[in-house]
Amino acid sequence: KQEVTQIPAALSVPEGENLVLNCSFTDSAIYNLQWFRQDPGKGLTSLLLIQSSQREQTSGRLNASLDKSSGRSTLYIAASQPGDSATYLCAAPGGATNKLIFGTGTLLAVQP
Amino acid sequence: DVKVTQSSRYLVKRTGEKVFLECVQDMDHENMFWYRQDPGLGLRLIYFSYDVKMKEKGDIPEGYSVSREKKERFSLILESASTNQTSMYLCASSTGQYYGYTFGSGTRLTVV
Repeated sequence: KQEVTQIPAALSVPEGENLVLNCSFTDSAIYNLQWFRQDPGKGLTSLLLIQSSQREQTSGRLNASLDKSSGRSTLYIAASQPGDSATYLCAAPGGATNKLIFGTGTLLAVQP
Repeated sequence: DVKVTQSSRYLVKRTGEKVFLECVQDMDHENMFWYRQDPGLGLRLIYFSYDVKMKEKGDIPEGYSVSREKKERFSLILESASTNQTSMYLCASSTGQYYGYTFGSGTRLTVV
């Protein structure tokens, strides 16, 4: 059964710092992994989708990597800004339905 | 960009009421999903649909039903609302298992 874990649960950094968010999954037979951002009380915004054949995907200051063999993905945020403050969720397919299984997220606070 | 629209941002209903949550997507996606999100439990899949008039149970279908009469619309129905169904409800759509999910902005439902 797919389980997705995110560490740390919360992170506070000063503005301008580079940071890494971690995601691990138990079933490596996945065809993709997706990272989302969620602002308080809002829906999920897709940040990056990495296919199983890819090692990493980049969008602006964001870079996500995927290592299926170790069951890990990381989201790297360069030069963090206060506007990056949000909850970041990763999700991988799995379970009886092979639909997206979510981690519980990392709450990021970037201090000005 | 794909747009997933949830008709209500906030709803307050009484125990025992029949509640309809509506979701509409504008990009002809085959797959649609309903999740609920609770603190400490993350996102959990309630129901999903592969096509018009088709539905599949997710991980927590008890107390819910769904309707998909048109491809673009997926409705979640609480037959008799209870206080333990107070939650954030999130709708998503996808065009296939190799593609990412797009989420709506969420409906915060409070059952009193």
